[in-house]
Amino acid sequence: AQRVTQPEKLLSVFKGAPVELKCNYSYSGSPELFWYVQYSRQRLQLLLRHISRESIKGFTADLNKGETSFHLKKPFAQEEDSAMYYCALMSNTGKLIFGQGTTLQVKP
Amino acid sequence: NAGVMQNPRHLVRRRGQEARLRCSPMKGHSHVYWYRQLPEEGLKFMVYLQKENIIDESGMPKERFSAEFPKEGPSILRIQQVVRGDSAAYFCASSPRGQTYEQYFGPGTRLTVT
Repeated sequence: AQRVTQPEKLLSVFKGAPVELKCNYSYSGSPELFWYVQYSRQRLQLLLRHISRESIKGFTADLNKGETSFHLKKPFAQEEDSAMYYCALMSNTGKLIFGQGTTLQVKP
Repeated sequence: NAGVMQNPRHLVRRRGQEARLRCSPMKGHSHVYWYRQLPEEGLKFMVYLQKENIIDESGMPKERFSAEFPKEGPSILRIQQVVRGDSAAYFCASSPRGQTYEQYFGPGTRLTVT
């Protein structure tokens, strides 16, 4: 079965602290994984995808096939990082399978 | 490029009425995806359309729901005889090509069934 799990509904950290948003997946083939972000009152937008191996706004994510994980990390959280984060898996037909989402709250 | 447009942004329907949700993809995009977000849940895929064709409708409820993407005009998600359980946010995304290409999301339509 194709599934994405984000175990934390809410993650609250202080500004400057490291952040790790967890994502685990279940997929029989070679996965195509994404992180999407939704800032307050804005539309969902792509943050990063694993094949590009980019760092966007200081965030990185590494695909670990052994642990079937794609955790999102940032060494020093900023207040403007507060948002809803969704991990997603793309199926071979192009549809995205989303996790339940994690709200990141960065406190001053 | 105005981005993906959805209208209406908010829609209130009484039980038994029909709801029509519209999605205009980004210019040059011929692939449209619909997702539904129920309260306290993540987004769930509903249907994937390319101009005039349904490519994948594995997430569509078997009854009352239909979708189209005509040669001209927006994509329409139609829900007949709405029930309270249809209350959700409906998101549309578009991409220039299918499969691994990035999907660009619209702002969503929030449907409330009273």
